[in-house]
Formats: sequence, C-alpha cells, structure tokens
Amino acid sequence: GQQVMQIPQYQHVQEGEDFTTYCNSSTTLSNIQWYKQRPGGHPVFLIQLVKSGEVKKQKRLTFQFGEAKKNSSLHITATQTTDVGTYFCAVSDMDSNYQLIWGAGTKLIIKP
Amino acid sequence: DSGVTQTPKHLITATGQRVTLRCSPRSGDLSVYWYQQSLDQGLQFLIQYYNGEERAKGNILERFSAQQFPDLHSELNLSSLELGDSALYFCASSVGGGVDTEAFFGQGTRLTVV
Repeated sequence: GQQVMQIPQYQHVQEGEDFTTYCNSSTTLSNIQWYKQRPGGHPVFLIQLVKSGEVKKQKRLTFQFGEAKKNSSLHITATQTTDVGTYFCAVSDMDSNYQLIWGAGTKLIIKP
Repeated sequence: DSGVTQTPKHLITATGQRVTLRCSPRSGDLSVYWYQQSLDQGLQFLIQYYNGEERAKGNILERFSAQQFPDLHSELNLSSLELGDSALYFCASSVGGGVDTEAFFGQGTRLTVV
C-alpha cells in the first residue's frame, strides 16, 4: 500500500538559516498537499502540487514536485520565528481511494 | 478562523466511558474528516463523510464510530475509552470529496482519559 516518508523528523536552525523538509513516496503520486501546524494550533493548508516537476513559491517558501512524482520538498529561505511549527505533507496516488496519506511531519525549531 | 467549529474544546473523562465530539463544517462544505493526533505525533486519519455518506475509512477502532447528519454536521463517538485514546481530535472539512481539495481544520478537541 501507499507509504510516505517525511524527513527529517526535527530540524534545528538559527534564525535566518534555511530549512528544508522532504516527502518521499514508494509509488507515483497523483498530488501532494503541504500543511503547517503551529505549536498548539491546527493544520493549515499551504499548497497543492499536481504536475510533474512543478515548482511553486509563496514569499520565502518554495515547493517542488519531483519529475517522477514520487517526492516533494518544501524549502524556507531565511527562517523567521513565525515559521516555527510542524510541516506535514499529505499525498494521494491512484490507489488512495479518496484517502490522503499523511507524512509524520518535520518540526522546525529555531535555536535561541 | 477556519470556519470549522468543534465542540467541546477540552474533555476529561474516565476509562470505560463514552464521549461524543461534534463538528460543524464550513458553510457549503460537503466533506467532513476526522483525525487523531497523539502528543507530538502526526495525524492519523480516522474517517471521512461526504454529503451524509461514509466515503473513506482509515485506522478507526471498532470502539469509535461517526456519522454525518442531514445538516452536514458530524459527530465522532468514542466508547469504552482507554488511557491510550487521550489525544487531540481534529475535524476538517472541504467542498469536494476527493483527495485534491483543500481541507480546513477546526481547533480540535483535546480528550484526556484518566
């Protein structure tokens, strides 16, 4: 069945450094969504990627979908304290049957 | 504010008891999803309803059940509660029923079983 691995589990960065989280699938994906959950908050939709090789940007955030549609990344340039939280990917493939499969999340921690 | 309302926000109950969590989706959304999130863990998909009918089922225990009513609000029933059921339960809603629609999450219900 569909499996998705999200790495790393945690990333500690100094404010101003970059951050990247990766989402890898064992099967070809139909689409991938990215969500952010602030500490004590609820997941909030960031973006959806559908096309092979797609790249989308939202200010300092860059989202990429691999050419083979088996992996994706979220890159944040020059992190700020407002970026703190856990970033989740959620994927579907042709066998998902209406169900998104969620990654375990990457927690972004800004070092004091 | 996502427009998804969950009640109650907090719930403390004893083992063996039964509770009901309630979710009102955003106006116009036909799909409701239920998720369980244990402390510092990922989201575990439980179940989805679309326009009153069950659409997808995840790792939902037999002790748990859900339904979506004609006015589209949904309830998640948890029975014979165990300590391990303590978690944050999120409801989400979306316009469509497919996996390519943006989901809007409520604030969650924090359940503590003692």
